[in-house]
Amino acid sequence: NAGVMQNPRHLVRRRGQEARLRCSPMKGHSHVYWYRQLPEEGLKFMVYLQKENIIDESGMPKERFSAEFPKEGPSILRIQQVVRGDSAAYFCASSPRSGHEQYFGPGTRLTVT
Amino acid sequence: SQQGEEDPQALSIQEGENATMNCSYKTSINNLQWYRQNSGRGLVHLILIRSNEREKHSGRLRVTLDTSKKSSSLLITASRAADTASYFCATEGNNNDMRFGAGTRLTVKP
Repeated sequence: NAGVMQNPRHLVRRRGQEARLRCSPMKGHSHVYWYRQLPEEGLKFMVYLQKENIIDESGMPKERFSAEFPKEGPSILRIQQVVRGDSAAYFCASSPRSGHEQYFGPGTRLTVT
Repeated sequence: SQQGEEDPQALSIQEGENATMNCSYKTSINNLQWYRQNSGRGLVHLILIRSNEREKHSGRLRVTLDTSKKSSSLLITASRAADTASYFCATEGNNNDMRFGAGTRLTVKP
């Protein structure tokens, strides 16, 4: 059973471009969480999704950021018109159900130049 | 990927008592972080301690780090029922990888 997979592991974008980050949860997991980590800081919760539904997006910036978890395929975190301040590591985690332990992926490091 | 060991796996105490949770790790680190998770919610960052620090306080939380023993402890003083949650430690390694422990489930009885 493969762990949580994220790709790409490293992503470089110029200001104004779009960034798409993918997260494939562990087999059998239908809950996905996205976190952002700025340098020298802890993880900050962004959004919690269950298949085809956003359960909690209280940590998502109001503009330019969106997330989805379709019925088929990976969860996608999308950042439009990236700015330098978006440079960070983005982690996703999955769990089989609410309240269960979360399993983390290796993260995607986004660099905006 | 999950790594690191936390003990105890579960802890049950009375309101007003102190709760101590421990975390051990295996590789050298840049920093160690503690997180809290309420049932069904995302992780909430509590405190970060750097590898050159030995102790850090935040409100009722006290974190210690012993790099020679590769261990850390989280102390919650004067616990409250609202402190009931799972607590995780995470280490950030020299190549910036993050590794989480399995967590301690704390129950504070009113």
